[in-house]
Amino acid sequence: EVQLVESGGGLVQPGGSLRVSCAASGFTFSSSWMSWVRQAPGAGLEWVAIIKPDGSEKYYVDSVKGRFTISRDNAKNSLHLQMNSLRAEDTAVYYCATDRLQHWGQGTLVTVSS
Amino acid sequence: DIVMTQTPLSLSATPGQPASISCKSSQSLLDSDGKTHLYWYLQKPGQPPQLLIYEVSNRFSGVPDRFSGSGSGTDFTLKISRVEAEDVAVYYCMQGRHVPWTFGQGTKVEIK
Repeated sequence: EVQLVESGGGLVQPGGSLRVSCAASGFTFSSSWMSWVRQAPGAGLEWVAIIKPDGSEKYYVDSVKGRFTISRDNAKNSLHLQMNSLRAEDTAVYYCATDRLQHWGQGTLVTVSS
Repeated sequence: DIVMTQTPLSLSATPGQPASISCKSSQSLLDSDGKTHLYWYLQKPGQPPQLLIYEVSNRFSGVPDRFSGSGSGTDFTLKISRVEAEDVAVYYCMQGRHVPWTFGQGTKVEIK
């Protein structure tokens, strides 16, 4: 059974940094493109970033380019999203998801507020 | 970026009756490999989204056969042949043809 468990969310001040992670199991993590998708409170879904299985290619939505970095550790079956220069509009539940968003985690809430 | 437009944004469905949601993309989603990268997800209240349909018309594992997807190029449709109470959710289409992947606004399905 595919399992994705996000962690690391919390309250951070504007301009601050946070790193969220996703622990994966039940599939061959090292062969799967992985994405982060976020959902602001009461809003729709927004795809944020994707990383190739070997980590050699990464793509981002424009609103996070230069501020967020997606990374992975295939030895530990883990996915990460380093978020810097956080803004109020980054407040959302952050989900990790497998290739083509077939499987999703439960999400972790990131709140950016003073 | 490819813009995904869903209609309607809300739908009140009668149990046992059909319902459909339209999704239009601002560019063709047909890839050079012959696949069309249009996906449908549903999100039930308080839960993460889940994949319903991939590549226009393929039901994901465990999805009831009352759900079907159709379309081509830029016009797509999700149909529920007989709505059930458990289908209450927000439904999203998504294009995976070009990054950034983009979602429709979501269609909220309620039961009459």
